[in-house]
Amino acid sequence: AQSVSQHNHHVILSEAASLELGCNYSYGGTVNLFWYVQYPGQHLQLLLKYFSGDPLVKGIKGFEAEFIKSKFSFNLRKPSVQWSDTAEYFCAGRASKIIFGSGTRLSIRP
Amino acid sequence: ETGVTQTPRHLVMGMTNKKSLKCEQHLGHNAMYWYKQSAKKPLELMFVYNFKEQTENNSVPSRFSPECPNSSHLFLHLHTLQPEDSALYLCASSQDEVGVSGTEAFFGQGTRLTVV
Repeated sequence: AQSVSQHNHHVILSEAASLELGCNYSYGGTVNLFWYVQYPGQHLQLLLKYFSGDPLVKGIKGFEAEFIKSKFSFNLRKPSVQWSDTAEYFCAGRASKIIFGSGTRLSIRP
Repeated sequence: ETGVTQTPRHLVMGMTNKKSLKCEQHLGHNAMYWYKQSAKKPLELMFVYNFKEQTENNSVPSRFSPECPNSSHLFLHLHTLQPEDSALYLCASSQDEVGVSGTEAFFGQGTRLTVV
């Protein structure tokens, strides 16, 4: 069965620190992968997506993610976080249907 | 503003009540979805509609009954719910089913449901 795993449930960083949030998926075949962000009190919005081509995907607000097929991973990165990045981050993947991970809450200390 | 509007934003209902959640999208999308978001759990896909036809029911109990009268509107009818059904219910839409031709989902802000 397809699944998407996010192993970090809560990450706390200081401003300007670098960020990497882990995401692993467990299905083969064609993969479509997404990262969504949910700011406090707001709707889920797409940060970036991977369908094919360059495995390094750049998204909005300085975020990027790298698809590593051999590791079944699609980790989200940002070189320098800001207080405004405080939010919940969801990885999602689609084989036959879209599946979301359990989310990672990111807290940034000003 | 994502173009996906959900009403009401908050709902408190008793276990014997009947209520409905409404979702409306103004994006011209063909697919609509209901998700359940509970604390510390993955977002759970409940139902998928594509061109008004239900294409997926993810083993959802019959006390949740979806309705899609047209491609722009999606309802979730609720009756005899349990306290464990309390959660944030999210509606989403996409041009085609997610994953087709690079399609992603656009989400509404959700309805916070509390069952007492």
